[in-house]
Amino acid sequence: GEDVEQSLFLSVREGDSSVINCTYTDSSSTYLYWYKQEPGAGLQLLTYIFSNMDMKQDQRLTVLLNKKDKHLSLRIADTQTGDSAIYFCAEKAHGSSNTGKLIFGQGTTLQVKP
Amino acid sequence: DAGVIQSPRHEVTEMGQEVTLRCKPISGHDYLFWYRQTMMRGLELLIYFNNNVPIDDSGMPEDRFSAKMPNASFSTLKIQPSEPRDSAVYFCASTWGQPSYEQYFGPGTRLTVT
Repeated sequence: GEDVEQSLFLSVREGDSSVINCTYTDSSSTYLYWYKQEPGAGLQLLTYIFSNMDMKQDQRLTVLLNKKDKHLSLRIADTQTGDSAIYFCAEKAHGSSNTGKLIFGQGTTLQVKP
Repeated sequence: DAGVIQSPRHEVTEMGQEVTLRCKPISGHDYLFWYRQTMMRGLELLIYFNNNVPIDDSGMPEDRFSAKMPNASFSTLKIQPSEPRDSAVYFCASTWGQPSYEQYFGPGTRLTVT
């Protein structure tokens, strides 16, 4: 079945770049997503990428997609303390019976030290 | 738009009581999802609707859980009777589907069953 895997924890210093990695199993995924969850809040959509792209940049965020290795990464440049949160990777579920579903990873907790 | 609205934000109840969680999706969205988040199990999809019709309820843990969507702007998740192990944060999310199916989450309801 479809599965999304992430490392659980990442710690960086303020001002450094953060790279959060994700692997997925469904090679037919059409869309992949990154969400951010701050303490006590819901998941906030950060960005998404279509599978025919290998890179998408949005201000400090860069998403890289390696379809061959089924690997997705989120790079945050000049990481700030306000970036401390849990980051979830997700893929759009495949198949007509799963239309609309997203498969989420378990989330990566990003700790930014001053 | 106000985003996805959930109520109540916090609910504390005693074991055996009925609990009703409410969600108003973003106007124009035709998919609605109910998730549960705990430290132990992470983010779990409970049920989702398309055009007010339940599509997949395989994630609903037991018969004590039920969900309805009487119209396009309102959904409820009911637990009867509630148990301490139901304590979690419950999220509602919605999307308009095509083409990219990105989901927008509400702020969640934190449920504590004592």
